[in-house]
Amino acid sequence: KQEVTQIPAALSVPEGENLVLNCSFTDSAIYNLQWFRQDPGKGLTSLLLIQSSQREQTSGRLNASLDKSSGRSTLYIAASQPGDSATYLCAVRGSGGSNYKLTFGKGTLLTVNP
Amino acid sequence: NAGVTQTPKFRVLKTGQSMTLLCAQDMNHEYMYWYRQDPGMGLRLIHYSVGEGTTAKGEVPDGYNVSRLKKQNFLLGLESAAPSQTSVYFCANLSKTVWTSGREYEQYFGPGTRLTVT
Repeated sequence: KQEVTQIPAALSVPEGENLVLNCSFTDSAIYNLQWFRQDPGKGLTSLLLIQSSQREQTSGRLNASLDKSSGRSTLYIAASQPGDSATYLCAVRGSGGSNYKLTFGKGTLLTVNP
Repeated sequence: NAGVTQTPKFRVLKTGQSMTLLCAQDMNHEYMYWYRQDPGMGLRLIHYSVGEGTTAKGEVPDGYNVSRLKKQNFLLGLESAAPSQTSVYFCANLSKTVWTSGREYEQYFGPGTRLTVT
């Protein structure tokens, strides 16, 4: 059974700092990995999607990497801003007959202080 | 994602009452999902559908029923609500984009329904 762990559970940083959020998964047979952002009381917004054959994806100040063989992904946020404060969720999609299913980590709550 | 909408946004039920949550998509995606999100538990899959007229159980299906009579809509029903079903419910769909290098599966979520059962 796939398990996804996100470390740390919470992170507080001053504005302007570069930061890394970590995600690990137990089964490396994945189709892809997706990073989401969730603001309080809101739904999930897709940030980045990395296919299993890719090593990284970038969108603006966000960069996500994937090391499938070691079961790890990182989300790098450059020059953090207070507007980046949210919960960040990592999710992996199974491969083959499990590709309908997305397994989520419990998230990292990020607070960026002005 | 403006393409997935949920009705209602909030609801309070008494134990034993029933209700239906509606999810609608303005895309033509085959796969749709219902999740619940609870503090400390993360997102858990209740039921999903791989196309019109089909449904399947997820991780936590007990106490819920679903229907997918039309491709655009996925309904989640609670026949006899219990306090343990107090949660935030999210609907999602799955986009399968075909590229020359293969298929890209990306999931999109609705805004959620906050349900309280007293």
